[in-house]
Amino acid sequence: GQQVMQIPQYQHVQEGEDFTTYCNSSTTLSNIQWYKQRPGGHPVFLIQLVKSGEVKKQKRLTFQFGEAKKNSSLHITATQTTDVGTYFCAGGPGANSKLTFGKGITLSVRP
Amino acid sequence: NAGVMQNPRHLVRRRGQEARLRCSPMKGHSHVYWYRQLPEEGLKFMVYLQKENIIDESGMPKERFSAEFPKEGPSILRIQQVVRGDSAAYFCASSHFPGQENSPLHFGNGTRLTVT
Repeated sequence: GQQVMQIPQYQHVQEGEDFTTYCNSSTTLSNIQWYKQRPGGHPVFLIQLVKSGEVKKQKRLTFQFGEAKKNSSLHITATQTTDVGTYFCAGGPGANSKLTFGKGITLSVRP
Repeated sequence: NAGVMQNPRHLVRRRGQEARLRCSPMKGHSHVYWYRQLPEEGLKFMVYLQKENIIDESGMPKERFSAEFPKEGPSILRIQQVVRGDSAAYFCASSHFPGQENSPLHFGNGTRLTVT
């Protein structure tokens, strides 16, 4: 079945540093989504990418979908303590189907 | 506009008892998904339902687990004869039918099930 991989599972950065994480799928995806989960909270939708090579920005966060639609990246510029949490990518083959989530990367930020 | 409502937030059951988890989707959403999350693990898909229909239950164990989304009322995830390994956070999410791409999921706060 479809697998979505995120490695590593943990990353620690100093506040103000940039942070990049990657997500890889074993199959071509129709779209990819990113979610953020704060400790003790629930996943919250951040962004969806649909087109090959698509890049979207949300303030200090930049999301990219690979040309082959099998991988994606999330880049955070100048991390802040509010960026702490677990970031999940999730891929789907298309409508009327489930989203497969990666294991997530837990980001901690040292003030 | 209320979000996805799950109850209870915390549920403690003894081994062998039944657990019933409820989920009311966002208003206007007709698709419900259940995911299970273990500590330091990702979200494992369990089941995808539309009103009165199970679309995909490939992630749900064949024994002891069942799910429904009736015409009226919330979606229910039912676990019979719970065992310690069922202890986890169970998240429900809902979406609006998307068209060609998967629609973003709106998650509830989850039910933390503890089996003693």
